[in-house]
Order: sequence, then structure tokens, then C-alpha cells
Amino acid sequence: AQKVTQAQTEISVVEKEDVTLDCVYETRDTTYYLFWYKQPPSGELVFLIRRNSFDEQNEISGRYSWNFQKSTSSFNFTITASQVVDSAVYFCALSEASQAAAGNKLTFGGGTRVLVKP
Amino acid sequence: DGGITQSPKYLFRKEGQNVTLSCEQNLNHDAMYWYRQDPGQGLRLIYYSQIVNDFQKGDIAEGYSVSREKKESFPLTVTSAQKNPTAFYLCASSIGGTLQETQYFGPGTRLLVL
Repeated sequence: AQKVTQAQTEISVVEKEDVTLDCVYETRDTTYYLFWYKQPPSGELVFLIRRNSFDEQNEISGRYSWNFQKSTSSFNFTITASQVVDSAVYFCALSEASQAAAGNKLTFGGGTRVLVKP
Repeated sequence: DGGITQSPKYLFRKEGQNVTLSCEQNLNHDAMYWYRQDPGQGLRLIYYSQIVNDFQKGDIAEGYSVSREKKESFPLTVTSAQKNPTAFYLCASSIGGTLQETQYFGPGTRLLVL
């Protein structure tokens, strides 16, 4: 089974619409971290947010907001009033305490491509 | 400006040839990582290093080799043993390689087989 699942492969919206990206994760660890990265067409991954397993407080940063729910193992990401510059692939990733011997690697979901049309 | 640089941006490999991808960081990070990204997929870990002169295999290390002679540099060699090398390769670094740290990524190298 996938450890990090991003069921939406592609989402297309018109500018100013809101878009929510789903991320469901699987872990037996009680201590873990979740991340969201953005990959614009240039290819570089840009860090957006990090959240630890003990902090379920949702967060808003400008037009971005994140909803972390341990009960459903989800860490969803919403872009409010989308803009063309938001067009990119967005990745959810998991870092687990049990992976310390493996360099605390990030396990990535398959990504969701967001296309914002003008 | 502090950051991670990767070169070249595009690399072409002939059959049976070894090629080396460069990764340099000036963030003073101890940990460095190499990931592979195939089209439409997430990233998978190839190798990582948490300290100079030490490195460990990731999930898909076969056909790859690395070295870590300097803190700033973590080159990746794609050997002829890697039968399907066409992919986008991303290098990352973090302060010490611990659980809570954010990994920061370079711009990537796209490897194509001729």
C-alpha cells in the first residue's frame, strides 16, 4: 500500500477559484512529520510547510491553508483565490521516526498537477 | 545567496557510459540526498549522506554510486549498470538529517539516454 496517497492526479481551475489538494498518509509511528512542496515547471521543489504529528492546529499563510486531521490520516492543502502562478505540481511527503536509520528520508506522494487558467 | 546548485541542467548518456551529476551546497548542511523522479511520479531516494566520508543506500541505489569527500559536494554517478537512467534527478540537503528537518532541493538535472 502507498504510504502517501494523492488521489487527484490533475486539477484544472479558472483563476480566482479555490482548489483543495488531498493527501492521505499511512504510518504506524506516533512521531512523524508531514510536508508540502511545490514543483513549478522549472523543476525545483519549493518547500511550503512542515507539520509534526503532535500539532493538529490548522494553519493559514496568505492564500495557502492546511488542514491536518490525524483521525483520518489526512493533510490537505487549499489554495484560495488561485492565480496562474500557482500552476505547478504539488507533492505531499512524510518523514517517520522509524526511518531514522534510513536517513530520515522523505516518502513522497505521486503529486497533483494544478493548472490555473486565466 | 545560499542554496543548492546542480549541473548540468541537461545530460545525455550513451549506452554503456558512466555519467556524473554534480551537486554543491553552500548552506553548511551536514546531510545531503539524491532523489530520482520519473514522469508523473513522486521522488524516490537513491543515496543519502549525513556526514563527510559516509553515505548510505536509499530505496533504489542499484546502478548508482556517490562520494562525499567534502561537506559541500555530493556527486552522483549513474553507471552503465543502471538500465533505465532516463529521469529527473534532484539533490537535496538538510541541516543534520534528523526527523524534523526540512530538506531543501536544487534545480535538478534531467538525464536522457541517446
